[in-house]
Amino acid sequence: DQQVKQNSPSLSVQEGRISILNCDYTNSMFDYFLWYKKYPAEGPTFLISISSIKDKNEDGRFTVFLNKSAKHLSLHIVPSQPGDSAVYFCAASAYGSGNTGKLIFGQGTTLQVKP
Amino acid sequence: DVKVTQSSRYLVKRTGEKVFLECVQDMDHENMFWYRQDPGLGLRLIYFSYDVKMKEKGDIPEGYSVSREKKERFSLILESASTNQTSMYLCASLESGANVLTFGAGSRLTVL
Repeated sequence: DQQVKQNSPSLSVQEGRISILNCDYTNSMFDYFLWYKKYPAEGPTFLISISSIKDKNEDGRFTVFLNKSAKHLSLHIVPSQPGDSAVYFCAASAYGSGNTGKLIFGQGTTLQVKP
Repeated sequence: DVKVTQSSRYLVKRTGEKVFLECVQDMDHENMFWYRQDPGLGLRLIYFSYDVKMKEKGDIPEGYSVSREKKERFSLILESASTNQTSMYLCASLESGANVLTFGAGSRLTVL
């Protein structure tokens, strides 16, 4: 039972354009969401997060939007750069039940930004 | 910066062998985790630990065990490796009260 789903395995965009990566979840207890970025042969690195009390969080070129009623979040990258090419993982946690640090990850979306 | 070090980056083992994957973190974090990453499945939690000598099963613990004898070290053990355990294994640590896991670079295991 996949509680966090990234339905697009891959995405290709042109340099300078917007990249939108999507993530859906099923567990209404999730109250904290994160995006991680992973390059080949490296571990995932934290990118940006959002608490369920917010609907938007912005950090430079990266913005995460949360729609709780739809159980959907998205990561926007504007403008996209070739160095953004990586696998992006969405993750969720139910911190309200105690900060266990246990994250549930989606399947990942491979982003390719073409020069 | 927190550093999580996985000493073995690439391993090739034979079916039935016992395999140890070691992970060390240098920031005195209480919580440590083992995930595996497979194409199309994302990262799945195998085991985690909140403290020395404590361990909790994750979502896919079958075929694995763990050891946490010291706070900084969390070992993943495959008692008898099988081909379906060929995967990328990722260790992570987390400070209590924090929200963000810090991952190591990963250990790619191939079981022949």
